[in-house]
Amino acid sequence: KNEVEQSPQNLTAQEGEFITINCSYSVGISALHWLQQHPGGGIVSLFMLSSGKKKHGRLIATINIQEKHSSLHITASHPRDSAVYICAVRSGSRLTFGEGTQLTVNP
Amino acid sequence: DTGVSQNPRHKITKRGQNVTFRCDPISEHNRLYWYRQTLGQGPEFLTYFQNEAQLEKSRLLSDRFSAERPKGSFSTLEIQRTEQGDSAMYLCASSSNRGNTGELFFGEGSRLTVL
Repeated sequence: KNEVEQSPQNLTAQEGEFITINCSYSVGISALHWLQQHPGGGIVSLFMLSSGKKKHGRLIATINIQEKHSSLHITASHPRDSAVYICAVRSGSRLTFGEGTQLTVNP
Repeated sequence: DTGVSQNPRHKITKRGQNVTFRCDPISEHNRLYWYRQTLGQGPEFLTYFQNEAQLEKSRLLSDRFSAERPKGSFSTLEIQRTEQGDSAMYLCASSSNRGNTGELFFGEGSRLTVL
């Protein structure tokens, strides 16, 4: 079993839909990152969380430390949100990544 | 600041050759990370530097791999006697422990193809 599990692996939505991507982890962590990766490889950091909830524009990230679970929500999704979304957990200096969720938002 | 810069962006080499990748982190960042990513997978940790000190190495980093950060600024990742299994995207990221943000900034990656 991977230390970081994401679901779903693939997600297709219509423009405007509310999107949720989930991340569960099995190790003790000091922080959790949500990352966005576009075709071609560039990775952008969206959030770093150690507790509670953060919001940036249409993106919301939550974490429940007791349940070892985090969610990334996208409101009013848009085709430009199409990308791979990766959850990564930090333990000490080490980051362990999930395998990513491929999101496709159709117009 | 132009962010984290990696070069070359693409490298095609024959099996058995040596390759070297360079990463220039954001100038005030003291932490630098190397990751490897194969198609359809999340990145895997390779190694971590704080300033010029290599503090952690993954078991993925065989003795054919070596990384340096001699002056605590740019870093190089060298792969000797490349094998086809080394084909991957090699990603560099940097962060600062000042202000305790820990946010990571990634380069665009260096894609290696070993023929």
